[in-house]
Amino acid sequence: GESVGLHLPTLSVQEGDNSIINCAYSNSASDYFIWYKQESGKGPQFIIDIRSNMDKRQGQRVTVLLNKTVKHLSLQIAATQPGDSAVYFCAELLSGGSYIPTFGRGTSLIVHP
Amino acid sequence: SQTIHQWPATLVQPVGSPLSLECTVEGTSNPNLYWYRQAAGRGLQLLFYSIGIDQISSEVPQNLSASRPQDRQFILSSKKLLLSDSGFYLCAFAHLVGETQYFGPGTRLLVL
Repeated sequence: GESVGLHLPTLSVQEGDNSIINCAYSNSASDYFIWYKQESGKGPQFIIDIRSNMDKRQGQRVTVLLNKTVKHLSLQIAATQPGDSAVYFCAELLSGGSYIPTFGRGTSLIVHP
Repeated sequence: SQTIHQWPATLVQPVGSPLSLECTVEGTSNPNLYWYRQAAGRGLQLLFYSIGIDQISSEVPQNLSASRPQDRQFILSSKKLLLSDSGFYLCAFAHLVGETQYFGPGTRLLVL
């Protein structure tokens, strides 16, 4: 079946470094992708999204890149801060299709001061 | 702005006892509503979703049930809890089909 997965379950970085979190998706028909941040004991928080008609989208300190050729999604966090420590996971959807997104398992980002 | 609430935040229940978790959404009408369970270190498992009042779809057969008595209220219930029901329960809403889901703060359930 179709699935969304992450290459690295844990990523450790130093404060101030840039972080890159990756996600592979397998449903080539998916046209909408979302990144979430989940801090310990809290609900997932929307970070940024991207539609398949784009290959890059920038937010505040975050950038999402979409490579449809290899079905790969990445989240880049600039100047990572201790407050960025959390689990990050991606989700893929088919707009106008299933009500249900497919979520990745997540990558734990640990930022060392 | 839209907000989503869940309560209680934490719950400890004995095996065999009933369960009722509540989720309410403010600031939007006719949202799509979802219940997920998240086991420690695991991904999100969809339990139920609803596109309207009294319209509930179950994704995973188990001893849980869901109800939507009002447009912006979604309730997760069980008549008899099992040890395996322990986990972090998340409610989410979306404005439209196939659009972003926004999550509530979650309820931590421990069944002993």
